[in-house]
Amino acid sequence: DSGVTQTPKHLITATGQRVTLRCSPRSGDLSVYWYQQSLDQGLQFLIQYYNGEERAKGNILERFSAQQFPDLHSELNLSSLELGDSALYFCASSRQGASSYNSPLHFGNGTRLTVT
Amino acid sequence: GESVGLHLPTLSVQEGDNSIINCAYSNSASDYFIWYKQESGKGPQFIIDIRSNMDKRQGQRVTVLLNKTVKHLSLQIAATQPGDSAVYFCAENWNSGNTPLVFGKGTRLSVIA
Repeated sequence: DSGVTQTPKHLITATGQRVTLRCSPRSGDLSVYWYQQSLDQGLQFLIQYYNGEERAKGNILERFSAQQFPDLHSELNLSSLELGDSALYFCASSRQGASSYNSPLHFGNGTRLTVT
Repeated sequence: GESVGLHLPTLSVQEGDNSIINCAYSNSASDYFIWYKQESGKGPQFIIDIRSNMDKRQGQRVTVLLNKTVKHLSLQIAATQPGDSAVYFCAENWNSGNTPLVFGKGTRLSVIA
């Protein structure tokens, strides 16, 4: 068990809808990262927060947004969903503001999003 | 469970043999590397990491080798067990971690009992 908790495990919704994915980092970890995993693209970095502030941004669509709250949990909001958004969404956390030696990323078990 | 990367390269190994999983990384400026293991239906699990000022690091039954000259990373698993069957990813970053981890495509390890 990595200590990173993601909810829900599975989500099925229709095109055009909006969903919220939730992540609780490991105790003591200040950084939260969101990754998308699809069959074709592998693990793609979306966005990182450190202690409540956005730290780095990857290829995140404008329809997607995230935030990290004072208690350090994070939410990823996906709106105007399209069929191509179907994927596994992973949250990871690390102790520091960077993924580095002795502060590696630890991943949750993901949320499986299916858009129909 | 869910399948990850149906078209990944696959390595099949007999139980008890040693496994070697290879990774060619992309950025000569990368200074930190991690190996992750992903089992079906789970998130990537940290195995071992190495800094660019090292060329070898050992863990429990695993060894990571780094060859910066040819930008190559390998993961060696000793006495491979059925529980080692999974997809293995290498990941890299640079600028002392101030860039996000970039993941490779992954290799599926299949252990034959």
